[in-house]
Amino acid sequence: EAGVTQFPSHSVIEKGQTVTLRCDPISGHDNLYWYRRVMGKEIKFLLHFVKESKQDESGMPNNRFLAERTGGTYSTLKVQPAELEDSGVYFCASSQESTSPLHFGNGTRLTVT
Amino acid sequence: GEDVEQSLFLSVREGDSSVINCTYTDSSSTYLYWYKQEPGAGLQLLTYIFSNMDMKQDQRLTVLLNKKDKHLSLRIADTQTGDSAIYFCAEDTGRRALTFGSGTRLQVQP
Repeated sequence: EAGVTQFPSHSVIEKGQTVTLRCDPISGHDNLYWYRRVMGKEIKFLLHFVKESKQDESGMPNNRFLAERTGGTYSTLKVQPAELEDSGVYFCASSQESTSPLHFGNGTRLTVT
Repeated sequence: GEDVEQSLFLSVREGDSSVINCTYTDSSSTYLYWYKQEPGAGLQLLTYIFSNMDMKQDQRLTVLLNKKDKHLSLRIADTQTGDSAIYFCAEDTGRRALTFGSGTRLQVQP
């Protein structure tokens, strides 16, 4: 069974540019989550999808971040425009049920220069 | 508020046992997790424990949960060099927004 896959693994962009991160959850997992770890701080929750619906987006830092999950399969996280403080590792996770453990991907390392 | 704390670093010799500790503050936690992150890799789910359990054993891993003291520990028996990694504990209060500790870097000396 393939795990959670994220693309790209690493992205370097300039301040003000746009970046789109993609996450493919484990097949059959309705629940998809985005987390991030910036500048060596704790890993923080961003949002939670159940199928294509946003269940909880309380962790989204501001309106420069837009997450979508059209069709309830893969998800994208767009940062527009990117700022220096957005640099970090963005993790995606999925779970089969809302009470099942979360399985994480390898993350996308975003560097904003 | 929610806060999960871990010590930053632990060094052990190969073959010894490692014990990584974690404290949390939210008494409504449903699940508590241990994740492992190797260099350049993602977060690998090692094990987890439901809040109504005191202990869970899985091969070389033993998780102990003290709900009264809000203390979670991970014991790795016969630690190997391949166990060198960062270990994160995380609590789930049921909202699915896990709260992570800052991670404990385990270094295994040959």
